[in-house]
Amino acid sequence: EVQLVESGGVVVQPGGSLRLSCAASGFTFDDYTMHWVRQAPGKGLEWISLITWDGGSTAYADSVKGRFTISRDNSKNVLFLQMNSLRTEDTAFYYCAREYGGDYVVFAYWGQGTLVTVSS
Amino acid sequence: DIQMTQSPPSLSASVGDRVTITCRASQSISKYLNWYKQKPGKAPNLLIYAASNLQTGVPSRFSGSGSETYFTLTISSLQPEDFATYYCQQSYSTHPYTFGQGTKLEIK
Repeated sequence: EVQLVESGGVVVQPGGSLRLSCAASGFTFDDYTMHWVRQAPGKGLEWISLITWDGGSTAYADSVKGRFTISRDNSKNVLFLQMNSLRTEDTAFYYCAREYGGDYVVFAYWGQGTLVTVSS
Repeated sequence: DIQMTQSPPSLSASVGDRVTITCRASQSISKYLNWYKQKPGKAPNLLIYAASNLQTGVPSRFSGSGSETYFTLTISSLQPEDFATYYCQQSYSTHPYTFGQGTKLEIK
């Protein structure tokens, strides 16, 4: 069974940093591109980043580009999101998601999410 | 960026009703359109991919159709567990993969 478990969400002050983790199990982690998607409380979904199976390619939404860094450790089956220069508008639930596989991009599996609150 | 617009933003319906949610793309996306369902306090889960393909385990009362810029999600006979928020998402244009704003389906 595919499982994705996010952790690391806390309350942090504006300008601060945080690293989220997503522990993967139940599948061959390094076969898949992985994503982060976030959702501000009561709002819609926003894709923010992806990383290919080997970490060789990454991409970011404009809203986080230059502040967030996605990475992965395939030896430990863990996905990361390093978040720097945090803003109040970064307050959200952060979900990691796995693609279905193949060339078609769809978020087939999701973690339960971790809440990041940016507040003074 | 490709903009995705869902309608209606909210919808009240009764158990047993047939409902349709629409999703429009700001440019042609062929059939690169996915639908997700989200219950309060839970992560989204995939319902339909590539416009009309039902994800494994999703009941057959759900169906999707459309292409280019116009897509629909239809639930043929609403069940109590279907009351949730539904999102469309395009995967035609990489970075960003944009979502619609959501349609909240409520019990009448």
